[in-house]
Amino acid sequence: KAGVTQTPRYLIKTRGQQVTLSCSPISGHRSVSWYQQTPGQGLQFLFEYFSETQRNKGNFPGRFSGRQFSNSRSEMNVSTLELGDSALYLCASSAQQGTAGNYEQYFGPGTRLTVT
Amino acid sequence: SQQGEEDPQALSIQEGENATMNCSYKTSINNLQWYRQNSGRGLVHLILIRSNEREKHSGRLRVTLDTSKKSSSLLITASRAADTASYFCGTWTAGSYQLTFGKGTKLSVIP
Repeated sequence: KAGVTQTPRYLIKTRGQQVTLSCSPISGHRSVSWYQQTPGQGLQFLFEYFSETQRNKGNFPGRFSGRQFSNSRSEMNVSTLELGDSALYLCASSAQQGTAGNYEQYFGPGTRLTVT
Repeated sequence: SQQGEEDPQALSIQEGENATMNCSYKTSINNLQWYRQNSGRGLVHLILIRSNEREKHSGRLRVTLDTSKKSSSLLITASRAADTASYFCGTWTAGSYQLTFGKGTKLSVIP
C-alpha cells in the first residue's frame, strides 16, 4: 500500500498570506489527523476528521481550519500567517473508527512551512 | 498541552549497548504508542500497548506499561547507528480522537 502523502513538502510564505496543505491518507483509512511540530512546543494536535466530520480540534486559533473530502483526502488551511506558524505540519491516517483508538497512526513526511 | 513526558531528553550510547527511554503521563489512557522520527521527517510507528497490557515486544524493542505509576519504558537492545533518532510516546484517551505527545528523547548511537 502507498503511504500517507503530503503536498507540498516545503513552502515559504510571507506574513499575512494564507496557505493550504494537502494530505492523502492510506487507501481504506477514513481517519485523518493533523499535528504541528515546532522546536518549542513539540507535537501539537490540530484536528481529526472521520468520514468528512471533524471529531476533535486542538487548542489553535480560528485561523487554522481543515476539511476532509468524501475520498478521505484532507486539507488544512492557515489564514493570515504569522511568524510563529513556521513549523512542520504532519498528517496521519489510521484505520480507527471508534473512540478506543487502538490503531496505529501512519504519518506522512510532513510539510515544512516557513513564514517570513 | 503535553500529556507525556519523555526522559531523558537526550541519550548518547555506543553501538551494541542497550538504550532505555521512559515516558510518564498524567491521565488515564486507552493505549500508549511509541514513535521514531528521523531528523525532521514523519513519525514511524513502533509499538502500541493497550492499557490492559504490561509488556510488548517487537524485534529489538521492548515496551512496558505501568498504569499504576502512569509510566512506560522503551528498551532498544543491541543498538545500531541506524537507531539514531528522536523517540516519542503518544497517549490516547477514549473519546479524544488524538494522540498527545511528549517532547521526545533524542537518541544518538555512536558507531
